[in-house]
Amino acid sequence: GAGVSQSPSNKVTEKGKDVELRCDPISGHTALYWYRQSLGQGLEFLIYFQGNSAPDKSGLPSDRFSAERTGGSVSTLTIQRTQQEDSAVYLCASSFLGGGKAKNIQYFGAGTRLSVL
Amino acid sequence: GIQVEQSPPDLILQEGANSTLRCNFSDSVNNLQWFHQNPWGQLINLFYIPSGTKQNGRLSATTVATERYSLLYISSSQTTDSGVYFCAVRSGGSYIPTFGRGTSLIVHP
Repeated sequence: GAGVSQSPSNKVTEKGKDVELRCDPISGHTALYWYRQSLGQGLEFLIYFQGNSAPDKSGLPSDRFSAERTGGSVSTLTIQRTQQEDSAVYLCASSFLGGGKAKNIQYFGAGTRLSVL
Repeated sequence: GIQVEQSPPDLILQEGANSTLRCNFSDSVNNLQWFHQNPWGQLINLFYIPSGTKQNGRLSATTVATERYSLLYISSSQTTDSGVYFCAVRSGGSYIPTFGRGTSLIVHP
């Protein structure tokens, strides 16, 4: 696609429910990142995928958070048993990791705004 | 890990004014990007600039890698420039960027 696509754009859920957030990266991009941004705050790194390598999960805040990337393209971030403190905007970015002019420039989706009631 | 500090944290301008935003980092970097997050939350790439100077219209950026800082210049500011400006850097062999806390800019008409 022309850009990074995230869905849904907004999600309201009840405490304790599971949610799935989707990210469709730019075609051909090998790297995919998930971030979380709480209201008025900076970006908090969650997880990073690169090609077929094992993901870097070092930013996941708890074992309720998980993510997968199928076929090296679309990624799903799953939050189990949501808590009110999970309310935030979840941002996805993709980039092409390679030489030359690619330079690992990150492109962001519009985000999913998650509200846990 | 690398530390990134942005200043000022908040900036209020009258339309037409010029401004300079700063990003300091604590280690050498091989990747630096400036982003603008508009009031709707979308992060937009402004510059990829690990070193040197670039210009794009009313915006320009300079990174002095040896002195570990980058500057973003906004000239003749417009209300559409409002939002938060983030600097993000990578260093060493890490592919995970470190973001600064951002500069929140409000431009009044």
